[in-house]
Amino acid sequence: GQQVMQIPQYQHVQEGEDFTTYCNSSTTLSNIQWYKQRPGGHPVFLIQLVKSGEVKKQKRLTFQFGEAKKNSSLHITATQTTDVGTYFCAGTTSGTYKYIFGTGTRLKVLA
Amino acid sequence: EAQVTQNPRYLITVTGKKLTVTCSQNMNHEYMSWYRQDPGLGLRQIYYSMNVEVTDKGDVPEGYKVSRKEKRNFPLILESPSPNQTSLYFCASSGDRSFWSSYNEQFFGPGTRLTVL
Repeated sequence: GQQVMQIPQYQHVQEGEDFTTYCNSSTTLSNIQWYKQRPGGHPVFLIQLVKSGEVKKQKRLTFQFGEAKKNSSLHITATQTTDVGTYFCAGTTSGTYKYIFGTGTRLKVLA
Repeated sequence: EAQVTQNPRYLITVTGKKLTVTCSQNMNHEYMSWYRQDPGLGLRQIYYSMNVEVTDKGDVPEGYKVSRKEKRNFPLILESPSPNQTSLYFCASSGDRSFWSSYNEQFFGPGTRLTVL
C-alpha cells in the first residue's frame, strides 16, 4: 500500500542551528500538508502545498514540494526552543480523500 | 470559539465492552476523520466522512465503525474492543468551503487516550 516515510525519525539540535525533515511518498500526491504536534498536544496545521515545485515560507520555516510531487521538505532556520515537537507531513492522492501521514520527525532543541 | 471536541479524553476499558468516542465540530465542516496515533507509526486514518451519510474507510478500519447522521458529529464506535486498539485517537475536521479547494486545513480535537485491558 501507499507509504509516506519521514527522515530523520529524531533530531537533536542546539538552539540556533538549522533543521530539516524530509518526507518521501511511494506514490504521487495531490497535495502535501505539514503539521506540528507539541508534546502532549494535538497536531496543528502549518501549511499546504499543491503545485509541483512549490516553495512557501513562514518566517523561519521553508516548505518545498518536489517536482514529481512525491517528496517534500520542511526547513527551519535558526531553531528556537519553541520549535520543539514532532513534525508530520500528510498527503492525499488523486481520486481519493484519504490522508496518509508520514511517520513524523521529533525535534528537540537544546538551549 | 471554533473547535473540535472529543469525549471522553481518557478511557480505560476491558476487552469486548462496546464503547463510543464522540466527536463534534462547530465550524460547519463537511469533512471529518478519525485517526489513531501509535509510537513510531505516526497517524493512521481509520475512517473519514465527506458529508452526512457519506463515510469511507481509511487505512486501518478493522474493528471500528462510524456514523455521520449530523454534519457536526462523527462518533467512533468500537463494538468489541481488543488490547491492540489501545492507542491515542484524534478526530479532525476540515472544509468550510468546497473540499476541492486547495486549502483543506485539518483541525484536530484534543485526543482520546484509550486503554483496553
